[in-house]
Amino acid sequence: DQQVKQNSPSLSVQEGRISILNCDYTNSMFDYFLWYKKYPAEGPTFLISISSIKDKNEDGRFTVFLNKSAKHLSLHIVPSQPGDSAVYFCAAYNYGQNFVFGPGTRLSVLP
Amino acid sequence: DTEVTQTPKHLVMGMTNKKSLKCEQHMGHRAMYWYKQKAKKPPELMFVYSYEKLSINESVPSRFSPECPNSSLLNLHLHALQPEDSALYLCASSQDRVTDTQYFGPGTRLTVL
Repeated sequence: DQQVKQNSPSLSVQEGRISILNCDYTNSMFDYFLWYKKYPAEGPTFLISISSIKDKNEDGRFTVFLNKSAKHLSLHIVPSQPGDSAVYFCAAYNYGQNFVFGPGTRLSVLP
Repeated sequence: DTEVTQTPKHLVMGMTNKKSLKCEQHMGHRAMYWYKQKAKKPPELMFVYSYEKLSINESVPSRFSPECPNSSLLNLHLHALQPEDSALYLCASSQDRVTDTQYFGPGTRLTVL
């Protein structure tokens, strides 16, 4: 049973436009969410996080939105750059429990 | 310094070999993790060490044996592995337990022949 879902295996976006990556979860006990970015042959790199008490967190070109009632979060990248092309993992946990990663979405930013 | 280092980068071993994967961090983190990642899948947690003590073992076969010699080092000893154990093995660390952001190393690509 997948507790964290990323229903789009891949996404292509034109350079300069907005990339929106989506993540849904089923466990209402999750209280912290993170996005990781992963290039081939490298470990995941932490990107941005959000606590369940917030609905938005912004860091430069990256913004994460959380809709608790819908159990949905999204990562917005504006403007998208070719270097953003990677696999993006959504991850979630609740205090004292383990990280749960989503299956990932491969983002391709086209020049 | 937010770097987690892992050695070796690549490892090829036979089913009868004994080898070890190494992980190191100097961020003062007290929690360290081993993950296994198969192609096109998310990382799967294997072990968690908190303050040098094994706190979580996610039902990993005994052919994988973790060791935390000190707060900066984490080893994964491998013995009698199977070809299906071939994967990317990722080490991560966080300030404290699973409640903090985890920082990942580059991984060791393991191939079992």
